[in-house]
Amino acid sequence: EPEVTQTPSHQVTQMGQEVILRCVPISNHLYFYWYRQILGQKVEFLVSFYNNEISEKSEIFDDQFSVERPDGSNFTLKIRSTKLEDSAMYFCASSAGWEAFFGQGTRLTVV
Amino acid sequence: GESVGLHLPTLSVQEGDNSIINCAYSNSASDYFIWYKQESGKGPQFIIDIRSNMDKRQGQRVTVLLNKTVKHLSLQIAATQPGDSAVYFCAENHNDMRFGAGTRLTVKP
Repeated sequence: EPEVTQTPSHQVTQMGQEVILRCVPISNHLYFYWYRQILGQKVEFLVSFYNNEISEKSEIFDDQFSVERPDGSNFTLKIRSTKLEDSAMYFCASSAGWEAFFGQGTRLTVV
Repeated sequence: GESVGLHLPTLSVQEGDNSIINCAYSNSASDYFIWYKQESGKGPQFIIDIRSNMDKRQGQRVTVLLNKTVKHLSLQIAATQPGDSAVYFCAENHNDMRFGAGTRLTVKP
């Protein structure tokens, strides 16, 4: 069964460093998403991406964040100058139009 | 120490009983709704969906009910099993998908 894959599963980084979280969406999907989940809290929408551009973003997704689809298979989330409060699970999802399928997440720990 | 973050609503049921998990959504323009199940340490997993032109949809052991008048969504799980223990999130979709706060379901054997 096709699935969304995310790497790494766990990333530890020092405050102020840049991180890139990687996702391989399901191959025939056209819509891509990043979500964040702080420990014990709800899943929060960050950004949606369609047709090689951002289609929607939340107030969380400020200039510190960027997304890219560098080739036909990868979808990345870059976080510049990480802060302690960026520590969370980051989930990538993809969709063919309706139902979104999620990856297993990357746990980002900023120390 | 001080705890931070949301305290999820919890529902505890006996194995074999039916469970009903409720969700209020915010955007009256949302046209598609999904229930996700999230087990500890894993990503949200699709359970069932419903479009706004329907008020009920049934799956294998699950039923979703949609009341657009009061912007309310519910998930009914029949004959709840220990494997159903998880956090359940509803999500509404208009231009993008937004999640509700989640409910933790615990099934007692």
